[in-house]
Amino acid sequence: DIQMTQSPSSLSASVGDRVTITCRASQSSSFSLNWYQQKPGTAPKLLITSTSSLQSGVPSRFSGSGSGTDFTLTITNLQPEDFATYYCQQSYAFGQGTKVEIK
Amino acid sequence: QLQLQESGPGLVKPSETLSLTCTVSGGSISSNNHYWAWIRQPPGKGLEWIGSVHYSGTTYYNPSLKSRVTISVDTSKNQFSLMLSSVTAADTAVYYCARDYGDVRTDYWGQGTLVTASS
Repeated sequence: DIQMTQSPSSLSASVGDRVTITCRASQSSSFSLNWYQQKPGTAPKLLITSTSSLQSGVPSRFSGSGSGTDFTLTITNLQPEDFATYYCQQSYAFGQGTKVEIK
Repeated sequence: QLQLQESGPGLVKPSETLSLTCTVSGGSISSNNHYWAWIRQPPGKGLEWIGSVHYSGTTYYNPSLKSRVTISVDTSKNQFSLMLSSVTAADTAVYYCARDYGDVRTDYWGQGTLVTASS
């Protein structure tokens, strides 16, 4: 079974900072590597598919990269609305989430 | 604009079967390019993909839940449903219905419904 491991589980950052979240898959897969953003009390929002393709309407400060089993979500110039929990996903497996909090 | 709405009991007794329905509006469930999924999130915890169904009836399930899960579709009502048998307290979660496109990319979500497994 595929498993996704995210790090860190949480981080504190300031507005304007650059933030990097990593996601490691237990095995290489042909499935799309996706990233989601979730704010409290709301459903997740799809940000990125196929490792690096931004969904329509997602700001360009979000970017994704990686290959094989190692993937990264980067947020540059962090904005107040970006404080949320982020999940990676590949096939049926989600990472455990990374909470981005205000420093 | 596509909308999904979960419905069903908010309380289920341990050992019984959880049943939820998702009604799709603003679009047809009979789309060749989409699967219709269930995803859950225990309070304060992360996301767990349960499974999905195509309008043709083809299903995919999370291996960890496969023995207890049935997902079905009713194209005449533009609905799909989840049944999870032999529930325990560990099945207490917000259950989301959603649309998958391509290979498990979930682009539309319902608002979620909390189901509590308790006597």
